[in-house]
Amino acid sequence: KQEVTQIPAALSVPEGENLVLNCSFTDSAIYNLQWFRQDPGKGLTSLLLIQSSQREQTSGRLNASLDKSSGRSTLYIAASQPGDSATYLCAVKDGNKLVFGAGTILRVKS
Amino acid sequence: DVKVTQSSRYLVKRTGEKVFLECVQDMDHENMFWYRQDPGLGLRLIYFSYDVKMKEKGDIPEGYSVSREKKERFSLILESASTNQTSMYLCASSLGPLVEQYFGPGTRLTVT
Repeated sequence: KQEVTQIPAALSVPEGENLVLNCSFTDSAIYNLQWFRQDPGKGLTSLLLIQSSQREQTSGRLNASLDKSSGRSTLYIAASQPGDSATYLCAVKDGNKLVFGAGTILRVKS
Repeated sequence: DVKVTQSSRYLVKRTGEKVFLECVQDMDHENMFWYRQDPGLGLRLIYFSYDVKMKEKGDIPEGYSVSREKKERFSLILESASTNQTSMYLCASSLGPLVEQYFGPGTRLTVT
């Protein structure tokens, strides 16, 4: 059974710092991996999707990498801003469904 | 832009009531999903649908049913609401099985 783990569970950083969020999964036979952002009490916003054949994807200050063989993905956020404060979720496409991690709660202090 | 809407942001129902949660997407997506999100448990898949009138069980289908009569609309039904179904319910859609899922704003359901 696929399991997705996100470390750390929570992170607090000063504004301007570069940071890395980690996601690991137990079964490397995935179709893709997706990173989401969730603001309190709201739905999920898709940030990046990496297909299993890809190594990384970039969007603005965000860069996500995927190492399928080791079962790991990282989300790199450059020059963090208070507006980046949210919960970040990763999810792997495992067969017919997405399997989610529990998320990392990020707080960027001004 | 893809838009996924859910009929209510907040809902309060009594134990034993039949509850309908509606989800509509405007991008002609084939696939639609219902999840619930609980603290410490993350998002869990309840049901999904790959086509009109088609449905498949997810990880936690007990106590729920779904209906997809039209491509753009996917309904989640709680046949007899119970307090352990108090949760945030999230609907999602995608064009195909291997592409991005887009989520609605969520419905926070409280069953008293």
